[in-house]
Amino acid sequence: GQSLEQPSEVTAVEGAIVQINCTYQTSGFYGLSWYQQHDGGAPTFLSYNALDGLEETGRFSSFLSRSDSYGYLLLQELQMKDSASYFCAVRSILTGGGNKLTFGTGTQLKVEL
Amino acid sequence: EPEVTQTPSHQVTQMGQEVILRCVPISNHLYFYWYRQILGQKVEFLVSFYNNEISEKSEIFDDQFSVERPDGSNFTLKIRSTKLEDSAMYFCASSGPEKFTNTGELFFGEGSRLTVL
Repeated sequence: GQSLEQPSEVTAVEGAIVQINCTYQTSGFYGLSWYQQHDGGAPTFLSYNALDGLEETGRFSSFLSRSDSYGYLLLQELQMKDSASYFCAVRSILTGGGNKLTFGTGTQLKVEL
Repeated sequence: EPEVTQTPSHQVTQMGQEVILRCVPISNHLYFYWYRQILGQKVEFLVSFYNNEISEKSEIFDDQFSVERPDGSNFTLKIRSTKLEDSAMYFCASSGPEKFTNTGELFFGEGSRLTVL
């Protein structure tokens, strides 16, 4: 089976930096994705790591260590609109192509003034 | 920007009734998925669909569930006899068109909230 663990809640102030961790146990690992979800709306893609190291996309960065089965999402210069749930998701390849995502438990980020 | 669209946005039904949730994936995508999210919980994989057949399904996707691509644009999820525990948000997603994409990005619709009474 597959399992991904994240902190349930993180609180930070506007302008700060916050790190959301994700540890996983899985088979058939091809990469780790991060998704943002506002109030039960559509999950939206933020970042993806297939290899070890840091990927930077604007204010968001994501890190992966395959040997440690660990990754994190780093959000810089926090804004109120960043208040949302953040999910890590393990990517596996389906027979015949396409991607299956197995989502983590989600982290509720609250940004305060 | 192309997007995945879902209808209805919210459906209320009585236990035991059949429900069909509809999705229009992004037009040049080849892989289609249904996920569900029970309120306050994580997003769970239900089924993936490619080349007019199911490529993988989860334990949740039992005989009460079925998927269909009745024409070139729609992708439907049918729940034959709904149960209380089927109450959730159901998300359709699509990916492609490359057979093996490099980003792991799925494009999700806004979801259909199903309430079973």
